[in-house]
Amino acid sequence: KQEVTQIPAALSVPEGENLVLNCSFTDSAIYNLQWFRQDPGKGLTSLLLIQSSQREQTSGRLNASLDKSSGRSTLYIAASQPGDSATYLCVLIGATNKLIFGTGTLLAVQP
Amino acid sequence: DAGVTQSPTHLIKTRGQQVTLRCSPKSGHDTVSWYQQALGQGPQFIFQYYEEEERQRGNFPDRFSGHQFPNYSSELNVNALLLGDSALYLCASSRLAGGSTDTQYFGPGTRLTVL
Repeated sequence: KQEVTQIPAALSVPEGENLVLNCSFTDSAIYNLQWFRQDPGKGLTSLLLIQSSQREQTSGRLNASLDKSSGRSTLYIAASQPGDSATYLCVLIGATNKLIFGTGTLLAVQP
Repeated sequence: DAGVTQSPTHLIKTRGQQVTLRCSPKSGHDTVSWYQQALGQGPQFIFQYYEEEERQRGNFPDRFSGHQFPNYSSELNVNALLLGDSALYLCASSRLAGGSTDTQYFGPGTRLTVL
């Protein structure tokens, strides 16, 4: 059974810091991996999608990497801002588009 | 493109009642999946619809049922509501035709409160 773990569970940083969120999974037979953010009581906003054949994706201040052999993905956020405060979810996408959610990282960026 | 839309935004029901939640997928998407997210928890997969059929199902009782229409929109029905059904219900759409596993898009969710 695929399990997805995110570390740390919670993180508080001062504004401007660079930070890394970690995601690990037990089964490397995945198709794609997607990072989302979720604001309290809201839906999920897609940040980055990494196809199975890719190793990283970048969008603005965000960079996500994928290493299937070691079962790891990281989300790097550069120059963090208070608006980045949210829960970040690592999601594995299987062959039939079934999603397996990570445990989430609650990020707080202090102004 | 309005993206994934869900209705209603909020809903309050009492135990034993029945509820129907609705989802319209993003334009061009043919697959709709439903998730339940209890407060402080991650989303849990309920089921997925593709070509008007339930293709996959998570560990939810038969009280949870759904439907997909020819225009790819979907409904989630929950019968005999329990207090524990209170949650944010999320709908996600994607394109599965041709084996595509593109970006998943989520709606804003429906907040269901059961009293």
